[in-house]
Amino acid sequence: DGGITQSPKYLFRKEGQNVTLSCEQNLNHDAMYWYRQDPGQGLRLIYYSQIVNDFQKGDIAEGYSVSREKKESFPLTVTSAQKNPTAFYLCASSSGELFFGEGSRLTVL
Amino acid sequence: GQQLNQSPQSMFIQEGEDVSMNCTSSSIFNTWLWYKQDPGEGPVLLIALYKAGELTSNGRLTAQFGITRKDSFLNISASIPSDVGIYFCAGLINSGYALNFGKGTSLLVTP
Repeated sequence: DGGITQSPKYLFRKEGQNVTLSCEQNLNHDAMYWYRQDPGQGLRLIYYSQIVNDFQKGDIAEGYSVSREKKESFPLTVTSAQKNPTAFYLCASSSGELFFGEGSRLTVL
Repeated sequence: GQQLNQSPQSMFIQEGEDVSMNCTSSSIFNTWLWYKQDPGEGPVLLIALYKAGELTSNGRLTAQFGITRKDSFLNISASIPSDVGIYFCAGLINSGYALNFGKGTSLLVTP
């Protein structure tokens, strides 16, 4: 089936640790995105990538890093510099309309 | 990115009632999208609008792209319990730009 796969769905991390969230798509979309969702905040853009080997900061990029070495993959690393990392993270890809993965919930203990 | 103004923030209605929610922006968009999100899941696209004035239906859902290109609304007719969720509007200036999202409308439907 075509779609966007995020993993893991749930992740727990100790303070001070980096963690990487995976996002893979087989829709052949050029553009991929990472959003963060907090209750009552809607969706906030972290990073996006229009083509391989290129990406742009979104509205809340501080404390996050990404890479886009392959068209189908856009992993997000939540670094220890992110002060409040507990959130629901959504990956999406687009060829115009945006299609989302099922999300990854990160909890920092 | 610009945050869209989505209202109402939440709605609590009885099954069978109609629902209306809208999004406004100070900027012009060329595409308006409406998504629904179930708890713990990613948003799912409901309706996409590409032309000012366009009125599009998807079952009991109807959405319109405002003439000014700065607003859009979504109507749900004869609501049912499975309509429960958070509805997001999103605007796109052009392909190659990121979507701008509203903060969502939380819908609760009682039997």
